[in-house]
Amino acid sequence: GAVVSQHPSWVICKSGTSVKIECRSLDFQATTMFWYRQFPKQSLMLMATSNEGSKATYEQGVEKDKFLINHASLTLSTLTVTSAHPEDSSFYICSAQGTSGGIGTQYFGPGTRLTVL
Amino acid sequence: KQEVTQIPAALSVPEGENLVLNCSFTDSAIYNLQWFRQDPGKGLTSLLLIQSSQREQTSGRLNASLDKSSGRSTLYIAASQPGDSATYLCAVRASSASKIIFGSGTRLSIRP
Repeated sequence: GAVVSQHPSWVICKSGTSVKIECRSLDFQATTMFWYRQFPKQSLMLMATSNEGSKATYEQGVEKDKFLINHASLTLSTLTVTSAHPEDSSFYICSAQGTSGGIGTQYFGPGTRLTVL
Repeated sequence: KQEVTQIPAALSVPEGENLVLNCSFTDSAIYNLQWFRQDPGKGLTSLLLIQSSQREQTSGRLNASLDKSSGRSTLYIAASQPGDSATYLCAVRASSASKIIFGSGTRLSIRP
């Protein structure tokens, strides 16, 4: 149980286009979802926290107008990178927290590799 | 502000050796500490989670210890195997509702 999926697993796009990444909790309800970014050989950095039905809370230095997060249901959150540029190329990982596991347990998705040309 | 540091950044050892990975954190007021494994280009696999009231956790060949007062944790891997090659991340939380703070990881390579 407690599986989190991400789609797509990798994406290549041209500079200036927008890319949407989906994060789904497959067998539990995720009241909270987290989006992380990981640059090569670096650790995960939290970008934003989203609670179902409310606006996401962004970490300092993360542009909310560039990284649009929608958490419209208890099993789905999306991250849209708008007007992507090469510096946005990174590994994006989501995690979900909710009705599975102990209090506060987060389950991580497999990640999405974004390459912006 | 909580900071998590992992030393060494990279480690290469021959197969069969026992090894220790280190993690230190600056604020001892933590809720729990977790060790993850990450294979290249992949997501995270949770290995061990230690609650603040616990001193250690064991799973198979892995043993993680926690010393909150000194702000340290170690991950002990016994009888290492090539399949153990991965990046190991240490992470802490201040509460069940707070964000996870990750260390920079240790890239482990086990030589056959």
